[in-house]
Amino acid sequence: DTEVTQTPKHLVMGMTNKKSLKCEQHMGHRAMYWYKQKAKKPPELMFVYSYEKLSINESVPSRFSPECPNSSLLNLHLHALQPEDSALYLCASTQGDHWGLSGANVLTFGAGSRLTVL
Amino acid sequence: AQRVTQPEKLLSVFKGAPVELKCNYSYSGSPELFWYVQYSRQRLQLLLRHISRESIKGFTADLNKGETSFHLKKPFAQEEDSAMYYCSTGANSKLTFGKGITLSVRP
Repeated sequence: DTEVTQTPKHLVMGMTNKKSLKCEQHMGHRAMYWYKQKAKKPPELMFVYSYEKLSINESVPSRFSPECPNSSLLNLHLHALQPEDSALYLCASTQGDHWGLSGANVLTFGAGSRLTVL
Repeated sequence: AQRVTQPEKLLSVFKGAPVELKCNYSYSGSPELFWYVQYSRQRLQLLLRHISRESIKGFTADLNKGETSFHLKKPFAQEEDSAMYYCSTGANSKLTFGKGITLSVRP
């Protein structure tokens, strides 16, 4: 299995709802990432988990709450979102958790979860 | 901090024309540089990395340390090359993306 799988593909939620995005990989990758992507814009890093521990939080509002239950799974819990949070949320994984060394670290992306906040 | 700059937002060429997508980087150490591509309705995927020095789908990219550039080139564009292309650089635990360029190849 060489894929990152994200569910759901599409999600519509109200500003008072609580929902979760899920991500799974079975490549034995040690680092997992959440990115947010708006239309025609580059992905923006939100969170990095390295060996199941949160290593980077790019000053993301607390209405986004990541969770890494095990080395294969990554969740993003959503609560009290705003309409401007509507975007494509991308999960990715890498074999290692460091760049600047061997050049072997390549991000494998999921297809994304398209979120619409009403 | 590492940064990549893609100075153009759009490049439109005819099929068979040469393509050069520009990328400049700023990084104090030895950068790791990549090109990622996003075709319409497909997931973002790796196209090239500088360490491999390979040609993928006819594309090549050479790291020029003197000019701090990592331009993506293809001698003869194909319609299926139409996509969004992102130059990116990795340092420590982060991969940073440039703003991206849309390549449109017309028949």
